[in-house]
Amino acid sequence: AQTVTQSQPEMSVQEAETVTLSCTYDTSESDYYLFWYKQPPSRQMILVIRQEAYKQQNATENRFSVNFQKAAKSFSLKISDSQLGDAAMYFCAFRGAQKLVFGQGTRLTINP
Amino acid sequence: DAGITQSPRHKVTETGTPVTLRCHQTENHRYMYWYRQDPGHGLRLIHYSYGVKDTDKGEVSDGYSVSRSKTEDFLLTLESATSSQTSVYFCAISEPTRNTEAFFGQGTRLTVV
Repeated sequence: AQTVTQSQPEMSVQEAETVTLSCTYDTSESDYYLFWYKQPPSRQMILVIRQEAYKQQNATENRFSVNFQKAAKSFSLKISDSQLGDAAMYFCAFRGAQKLVFGQGTRLTINP
Repeated sequence: DAGITQSPRHKVTETGTPVTLRCHQTENHRYMYWYRQDPGHGLRLIHYSYGVKDTDKGEVSDGYSVSRSKTEDFLLTLESATSSQTSVYFCAISEPTRNTEAFFGQGTRLTVV
């Protein structure tokens, strides 16, 4: 069975600084996708970034980038130049052949 | 925004009563998922569907059943609600042949008293 683990329940960072959120996963599948979703207080789920497992190059979306280490089954999210609007719950997710599985989430606080 | 609607958005029910939550989509996505969100646990998969009448269990399926009689609707039923099923429930849809990401409903807050 696939599992996703986020070991940091809470993180905080100063505005304009850089923060990294950790995620590890376990699977026996070779073809899969990884995602980071953001959930603000509105409860809306917003896709931040995605990574295809077959791609070695790390995905980047503006201030958001990932460090994908396939052999280690690690998928961390780096947020550069943190902004107040980045404050939210962040979920790491794994999608294999059928299931879409999420981690426990990391609550990110941005300090002005 | 993807056309996905959950109903009801809020519900309070009594222990022992049956409850059905509905997820409706207008995107013709093959995959549909039901999750529950609880503090400290993230989103946990209850059941999912990969086509009409094709469903399978997730990690927390006990006490829940689902049905999908047509592509656009995925129903989650709590046969006899318990206080431990008080949670926020999310539906998600996905069509891997078109895109990789999943789209989410706005959530249903269910309180069992």
